[in-house]
Amino acid sequence: EPEVTQTPSHQVTQMGQEVILRCVPISNHLYFYWYRQILGQKVEFLVSFYNNEISEKSEIFDDQFSVERPDGSNFTLKIRSTKLEDSAMYFCASNSQGSGELFFGEGSRLTVL
Amino acid sequence: EDKVVQSPLSLVVHEGDTVTLNCSYEVTNFRSLLWYKQEKKAPTFLFMLTSSGIEKKSGRLSSILDKKELSSILNITATQTGDSAIYLCAVDHAGNMLTFGGGTRLMVKP
Repeated sequence: EPEVTQTPSHQVTQMGQEVILRCVPISNHLYFYWYRQILGQKVEFLVSFYNNEISEKSEIFDDQFSVERPDGSNFTLKIRSTKLEDSAMYFCASNSQGSGELFFGEGSRLTVL
Repeated sequence: EDKVVQSPLSLVVHEGDTVTLNCSYEVTNFRSLLWYKQEKKAPTFLFMLTSSGIEKKSGRLSSILDKKELSSILNITATQTGDSAIYLCAVDHAGNMLTFGGGTRLMVKP
C-alpha cells in the first residue's frame, strides 16, 4: 500500500540552526501538507501546497518556515533558525483532491536544545 | 475562531465494553468531519463524514454526524486492547486545512 515517508525520524539540533525535514508524498497525490504536534498538544496545521505554491498557511508558519518541492517526489519543510518552541513532531501529509482524508507520514521528531 | 472540542479527555474501559467518543465543532465553511486513530505516531484514517444522520461503519467502529448539533460521535463496540489509542476528530473547512480536536485517550484493559 502506498504511504507517505518522512526523514529523519528524529533530529536533535541546537537553537538557531537550520533544519530541513523531508517527505515523499504518495506518488499520485497533488496536495501536500505539513502539520505539527507539540508533545501533549493538538495536531496543528502549518501549510498546504499545491501546484508548486503555498495555498494556505497558518499563523505558526512565519518567515522562519519555508516549503519546497525540489523535484518530482520530495516535499521539504525548512526551519531557518530553530527556536526551543519549534520542538515538536512534524507530520507530512498528502491527498489527491485537496479535501477530506489526509494520508499522514510517520512524522519527524524535532528536538531543539 | 475555529474550534473542535472532544470529550472525554480520557477513558479507561475493560475489554468487551462499548464506548462513545464525542466531538463538537464551530468552524466556518464546514466541508467534512474526519476521525483518526493515533497509536504511536501517525494518525490513521477511520471515517470521513459529510452528511448528517448517515452512519458510517467499519467492523466494530461506527460514526455519525449531526450538523444541526454541530457534533459527531464515534462508537466502538466490544472493545479490545488493540483499540487503545488516542482518537482524533478533525474538521475540514475552508482552505484545505484540518482543525483537530485535542483527542480522547482510550485505554482498554484486559
